[in-house]
Amino acid sequence: SAVISQKPSRDICQRGTSLTIQCQVDSQVTMMFWYRQQPGQSLTLIATANQGSEATYESGFVIDKFPISRPNLTFSTLTVSNMSPEDSSIYLCSVLDSANEKLFFGSGTQLSVL
Amino acid sequence: GENVEQHPSTLSVQEGDSAVIKCTYSDSASNYFPWYKQELGKRPQLIIDIRSNVGEKKDQRIAVTLNKTAKHFSLHITETQPEDSAVYFCAASAGGNEKLTFGTGTRLTIIP
Repeated sequence: SAVISQKPSRDICQRGTSLTIQCQVDSQVTMMFWYRQQPGQSLTLIATANQGSEATYESGFVIDKFPISRPNLTFSTLTVSNMSPEDSSIYLCSVLDSANEKLFFGSGTQLSVL
Repeated sequence: GENVEQHPSTLSVQEGDSAVIKCTYSDSASNYFPWYKQELGKRPQLIIDIRSNVGEKKDQRIAVTLNKTAKHFSLHITETQPEDSAVYFCAASAGGNEKLTFGTGTRLTIIP
C-alpha cells in the first residue's frame, strides 16, 4: 500500500493562529481526503483535495476555515485557520490506493489549541 | 447523505471467545464497506472490506458479512486475542470516489 507521511505529528497552538499540515505520499494517487477525529469520536470527512482545482468541502466545513492545497498527485496541505479550542482534534489525510481501490490513512496530526 | 449506525459502542469479550460488531447504513446506493481498527494513538488501519457483489468475506480470524436487503453488515472476530483490543470503525461508500461515511466506533476489550 502507499506510504503516507504526515507532519507535524502534533502541535500545541495559541487561539487565533493558523497551522498548516502536510501530507506526502510515496506514489501518485488520484484521490486524497482530509478527515477530522475529535477526541474519542469517529472520523468526519472535511474535504476532498482535488489536484489542480479547489477542494470539495463537506457540509459544515468551509474553505476560509480549512483551506486545502493539492499542487500535484503526491502532496496536499490542510490549514486550520484562526484556531479556537474547538479545533483541538486529530487531523488525518487519507489516500485512495489506485492499485487496490482501498483507502489508507496517514499517521495523523494531533492538534491542541489553548 | 449516508448515515451509518454502529453497535455496540463498547464490547468486552473473554479471550478466545468471538466478537461481533454490527452496522447499518441508509443509502441503498452504497456498495463498499470497509472496517478499520484503531489502536490508541495510532492511525486507523484497514483490516477487511467487502463490496456489494459479495455476501461474505473471510481473512483468517476476521470475517465480514453483508445483507444488502436489510442494509446491514457485521464484523466477526473469532478466537479473540489481547491484541484485538482496539476501537473498530465500520464505514460505507456509494463508490466512485470512495468517500467514506464512518460509524461511531466500537471499543473492543479482550479480557485475558
